[in-house]
Amino acid sequence: DAKTTQPPSMDCAEGRAANLPCNHSTISGNEYVYWYRQIHSQGPQYIIHGLKNNETNEMASLIITEDRKSSTLILPHATLRDTAVYYCIVFNSGSARQLTFGSGTQLTVLP
Amino acid sequence: NAGVMQNPRHLVRRRGQEARLRCSPMKGHSHVYWYRQLPEEGLKFMVYLQKENIIDESGMPKERFSAEFPKEGPSILRIQQVVRGDSAAYFCASSPGQGEADTQYFGPGTRLTVL
Repeated sequence: DAKTTQPPSMDCAEGRAANLPCNHSTISGNEYVYWYRQIHSQGPQYIIHGLKNNETNEMASLIITEDRKSSTLILPHATLRDTAVYYCIVFNSGSARQLTFGSGTQLTVLP
Repeated sequence: NAGVMQNPRHLVRRRGQEARLRCSPMKGHSHVYWYRQLPEEGLKFMVYLQKENIIDESGMPKERFSAEFPKEGPSILRIQQVVRGDSAAYFCASSPGQGEADTQYFGPGTRLTVL
């Protein structure tokens, strides 16, 4: 699986949009971009994934650049409960089943 | 629709005892994964199982650790003769086993403390 690079930490004001970047310049054509988060040592929580097109669900939006070398996870209206470590992972279950978690981004939502 | 269930949530063992961690996948999921998170470290893959088969155990320590996913019942991660270095959070995930974007959903974890 391709490696990802994320900033170690970010702050966001409550109620504002949180934009979390991820670089994955060596991503393969069939690898998906996945986002998980881990709130204070709880089990990782799946957020969203995408291949080429932008995706949106009830939790977040995922914007993938046209060359697929980077992506941004957007939490449209961050709340204090969104404070967590966010992991960007590139993955294709057809090639390998294990998720490789990097260091992630510690997002702190400030009141 | 219940998510992935793990029990116990907390487990305390003395050095040399055995630890058994159980994982019940989400309904309809036939693939199970175990990950370990040591204190202040990231999650590391341990093993991937389907019913009655170990598919990938490349992340399992060579000794004392074993995993199974029987035809009936939960998946079990077994640690024999525990040592203090086994203290960690153990997370189980499950997936339906379909397609190239086979999303894994995680349980709440079992926190093992070895005294």
